[in-house]
Amino acid sequence: SAVISQKPSRDICQRGTSLTIQCQVDSQVTMMFWYRQQPGQSLTLIATANQGSEATYESGFVIDKFPISRPNLTFSTLTVSNMSPEDSSIYLCSVVPSELAGGNTQYFGPGTRLTVL
Amino acid sequence: SQQGEEDPQALSIQEGENATMNCSYKTSINNLQWYRQNSGRGLVHLILIRSNEREKHSGRLRVTLDTSKKSSSLLITASRAADTASYFCATGTSGSRLTFGEGTQLTVNP
Repeated sequence: SAVISQKPSRDICQRGTSLTIQCQVDSQVTMMFWYRQQPGQSLTLIATANQGSEATYESGFVIDKFPISRPNLTFSTLTVSNMSPEDSSIYLCSVVPSELAGGNTQYFGPGTRLTVL
Repeated sequence: SQQGEEDPQALSIQEGENATMNCSYKTSINNLQWYRQNSGRGLVHLILIRSNEREKHSGRLRVTLDTSKKSSSLLITASRAADTASYFCATGTSGSRLTFGEGTQLTVNP
């Protein structure tokens, strides 16, 4: 299975600022996703990070608020822009390894716990 | 939108007892998966059951799937304190996207 790291693991930010979260995988993967998990809630898919092209956003999420980059097959970033306290959540990246391409099984990073004051 | 509903929302049992969690969903699926999350950390994949399977075992885990009722259950036998976590079902349809249920918080008391 893929080993996934995220930076930072946690952060406390002021409203109106932006934070960029990094997701690094130890092997090439086909699919990368970004999720948000609000306190006490389940996971909500923000977007699919596409290598070399614009991310595919889910309903309710827009590029201006959550710009995503994926410059290669092992790395992606999610930026939370112009933050408000409602953005306080755990942000998780997940991947589908190349050997499982076409399947649904996802491997998750450890998450980034964001608190916005 | 979340299509999975899980019950119970919270479950507290004693070590050695069995824990059963249920998941219902609304649309047709290719497979259903269960994940565990410890204390707000990343999710760990536990088991996948395909839409043409009815039951699957992995160690102390037993998963059933009833596509006619659009429901699944996860049974953890002989529970341990280390099983304390949140458990989520996730349904897979076309492509690689998953839709997660609301989760069950399991507490296993020593």
